[in-house]
Amino acid sequence: GEDVEQSLFLSVREGDSSVINCTYTDSSSTYLYWYKQEPGAGLQLLTYIFSNMDMKQDQRLTVLLNKKDKHLSLRIADTQTGDSAIYFCARGGGSYIPTFGRGTSLIVHP
Amino acid sequence: DTGVSQDPRHKITKRGQNVTFRCDPISEHNRLYWYRQTLGQGPEFLTYFQNEAQLEKSRLLSDRFSAERPKGSFSTLEIQRTEQGDSAMYLCASSLGNFGSNTYEQYFGPGTRLTVT
Repeated sequence: GEDVEQSLFLSVREGDSSVINCTYTDSSSTYLYWYKQEPGAGLQLLTYIFSNMDMKQDQRLTVLLNKKDKHLSLRIADTQTGDSAIYFCARGGGSYIPTFGRGTSLIVHP
Repeated sequence: DTGVSQDPRHKITKRGQNVTFRCDPISEHNRLYWYRQTLGQGPEFLTYFQNEAQLEKSRLLSDRFSAERPKGSFSTLEIQRTEQGDSAMYLCASSLGNFGSNTYEQYFGPGTRLTVT
């Protein structure tokens, strides 16, 4: 299977919360990232979490890490149409080079 | 604009031609990375530099690919004898490489979209 797996699509209504899930296989991953990519653009680092943490909150974003299950999630509170984008989960180990998942396309309906 | 810039943004070339892309990182960043992204996939690591030294290369970086960062500032990625399978978005990123300091925060450029016909 893939090193980092994500579901490909998520559709939510504006104002609802979005939860994007990710699983990874390498238990030696020391940090995990969430990136956002808008159409035709590069990737924007949203947030990251170290493997010794289980939660990180940053304004509307909440990252939860279950290290035992190798499961990472990104919750976006009060989702807006401007949040529509592709969200990439990535894991990192040595060399600080992330391995990316295929991305989850978030569609926000008005 | 003090972000990562890439040039050109789009390149269309015929199979067999050589192409060269340029990346200008954030000025104080000493690490520079190249990635390739195909449709429906996440970025795949190609290579990275710490200052002018190329420290790691992926198996994806075939002999037709070469990257340089001659003065530790901008970098070029050249693809020789392009093939249709080289069609992709080529992304550059940069980060601070000082030990324990923001090394994991990579800032990406907008990418160069290559189409090989």
